[in-house]
Amino acid sequence: EVRLVQSGGGLVQPGGSLRLSCAASGFTFRSHWMIWVRQAPGKGLEWVANMDQDGSDKTYVDSLKGRFTISRDNAKNSLYLQMNSLRADDTAVYYCARGLGRGSLDFWGQGTPVTVSS
Amino acid sequence: EIVMTQSPDTLSVAPGERATLSCRASQSVSTNLAWYQQKPGQAPRLLVYDASTRATDIPARFSGSGSGTEFTLTISSLQSEDFALYYCQQCHKWPPTFGQGTKVEIK
Repeated sequence: EVRLVQSGGGLVQPGGSLRLSCAASGFTFRSHWMIWVRQAPGKGLEWVANMDQDGSDKTYVDSLKGRFTISRDNAKNSLYLQMNSLRADDTAVYYCARGLGRGSLDFWGQGTPVTVSS
Repeated sequence: EIVMTQSPDTLSVAPGERATLSCRASQSVSTNLAWYQQKPGQAPRLLVYDASTRATDIPARFSGSGSGTEFTLTISSLQSEDFALYYCQQCHKWPPTFGQGTKVEIK
């Protein structure tokens, strides 16, 4: 069974940092590209960043470049999102997901809430 | 970026009836389109990819069609578990973008 189990969310002050983790199991993690997607409260879905199978290619939505860093450790079957200089509008539930083909997302983590507030 | 617009925002359907959800792209996305279902407090679930291919374990009552800029998700006979929020997503051009969602509610 494919599983993506997330951890690391929480409450952080504006300007602070947080690292999200996504532990994968039930499939060959190193064979799949991985994605982070977020959903602000009561809003729709927004693609955040993605990384290819070996970590050599990473892409970010323009508005987040320089503040967020996606990474992975294939030996640990884990995906990460380092978030720096957090702002109130980064408040959202963050999901990790597995990529399928050109960009469909066939398995998702349970989501981890991030709240940026003083 | 490509803007995805879904209609209607809310669809009221009786159990057992057919539901037809629409998704329009601001430019052609070929067949690089996916549909997701999301229930409150849950992660989205992939229903259809490549515009018309059902994902693993998705019931046959869900079907997708379309190409270019116009797409449809049809639920042939709504079951109680199908009342949820539905999103389309294009993965033709960076960045991948989602529609605003269509809520399917009980009539």
